[in-house]
Amino acid sequence: EAGVVQSPRYKIIEKKQPVAFWCNPISGHNTLYWYRQNLGQGPELLIRYENEEAVDDSQLPKDRFSAERLKGVDSTLKIQPAELGDSAVYLCASNGKGEAGTIYNEQFFGPGTRLTVL
Amino acid sequence: KNQVEQNPQSLIILEGKNCTLQCNYTVSPFSNLRWYKQDTGRGPVSLTIMTFSENTKSNGRYTATLDADTKQSSLHITASQLSDSASYICVVSVDSNYQLIWGAGTKLIIKP
Repeated sequence: EAGVVQSPRYKIIEKKQPVAFWCNPISGHNTLYWYRQNLGQGPELLIRYENEEAVDDSQLPKDRFSAERLKGVDSTLKIQPAELGDSAVYLCASNGKGEAGTIYNEQFFGPGTRLTVL
Repeated sequence: KNQVEQNPQSLIILEGKNCTLQCNYTVSPFSNLRWYKQDTGRGPVSLTIMTFSENTKSNGRYTATLDADTKQSSLHITASQLSDSASYICVVSVDSNYQLIWGAGTKLIIKP
């Protein structure tokens, strides 16, 4: 079974330019997450989707960040315009419903997109 | 404020040796505690997940412990291998299971 797929793996842009990241979650996973991870830190949640609905976007800087998951499968995260402080790794994760007998939902992560803003 | 603290920040040990990583948390309400391994340039991969009632769980050479009274957890690695070089992140789930409080991680380097 394929894992979470993200592209591109690396992106270098100049400040004020737009950038977009793409994520394909594990087949059948209804919940999709976008995280940002700064060097030496744990991931910070940006947005969580249940199918095509953004159910938690409280940490998404909405002045410059946007996300969509139109058909409840793939998702894109966009930054426009990018700032120097946006340099980080952007991780996508997904999970399905918890297996019978468990009370937790394990998240599966993609490899991330490393963004460098010059 | 919900927080997860890990120590040490970094650790270097020789191949074949054992080590223990520590995690302290102040998270309420508590649902479960997870340890993730993150290789350089990769996404985190789950090692163990423990609920309130579990105080130890193993995954191969990795053994996690949980003391819910003192709000501490540890990850013990036995007979370390070069491939264990990675960041190990302690994560506590708030009751919804979707809100995860992440530690900053311990960067472990195994030297031959």
